[in-house]
Amino acid sequence: SQQGEEDPQALSIQEGENATMNCSYKTSINNLQWYRQNSGRGLVHLILIRSNEREKHSGRLRVTLDTSKKSSSLLITASRAADTASYFCATFRGGGGNKLTFGTGTQLKVEL
Amino acid sequence: DAGVIQSPRHEVTEMGQEVTLRCKPISGHDYLFWYRQTMMRGLELLIYFNNNVPIDDSGMPEDRFSAKMPNASFSTLKIQPSEPRDSAVYFCASSPRDSSYNEQFFGPGTRLTVL
Repeated sequence: SQQGEEDPQALSIQEGENATMNCSYKTSINNLQWYRQNSGRGLVHLILIRSNEREKHSGRLRVTLDTSKKSSSLLITASRAADTASYFCATFRGGGGNKLTFGTGTQLKVEL
Repeated sequence: DAGVIQSPRHEVTEMGQEVTLRCKPISGHDYLFWYRQTMMRGLELLIYFNNNVPIDDSGMPEDRFSAKMPNASFSTLKIQPSEPRDSAVYFCASSPRDSSYNEQFFGPGTRLTVL
């Protein structure tokens, strides 16, 4: 699998439900970031979690990181139609340079 | 701040033609990245610059692709000659610093179609 592979590839839920997306990666990391991409637009940064952190919250977003399993999850609570987008995880390895490696993305559709 | 600016937003050209994509990063950002996004390959990093100097161009597909950053406020990605397989959305992104908080700010992208 690729560095930063999201699961599931696509997710369809009803408004008000929670959405959970997972990301797996292969190498050690300095931090992991989640981005959102609305159709036809650029990516927008949502949240960053460092390798020494296990959980982070931002509004309706909750991110967890398990470095032993090399995995992260993004939870969006009380989803809204406006949350419909693709969500990508991106890993930063550190050690010089400033390169992010993006995953394959999860397409989330929130229906009214 | 206007954010990262890219031009053109859409480009349609014929195979063999030269294509130049342009990017203006956010003022004060030290890093600039060029990405390509396709359905088949996802989001790929092509090249990135730090303080106008190319740092990693290992993602540039082949010699037909070249990128420059003549100053801190402008970068170009050139494809010469273009081929149909170059059709994709090309994103430019910038980042303020190399630290443990290295969020990238993306432009709206240029949708390139090579006929």
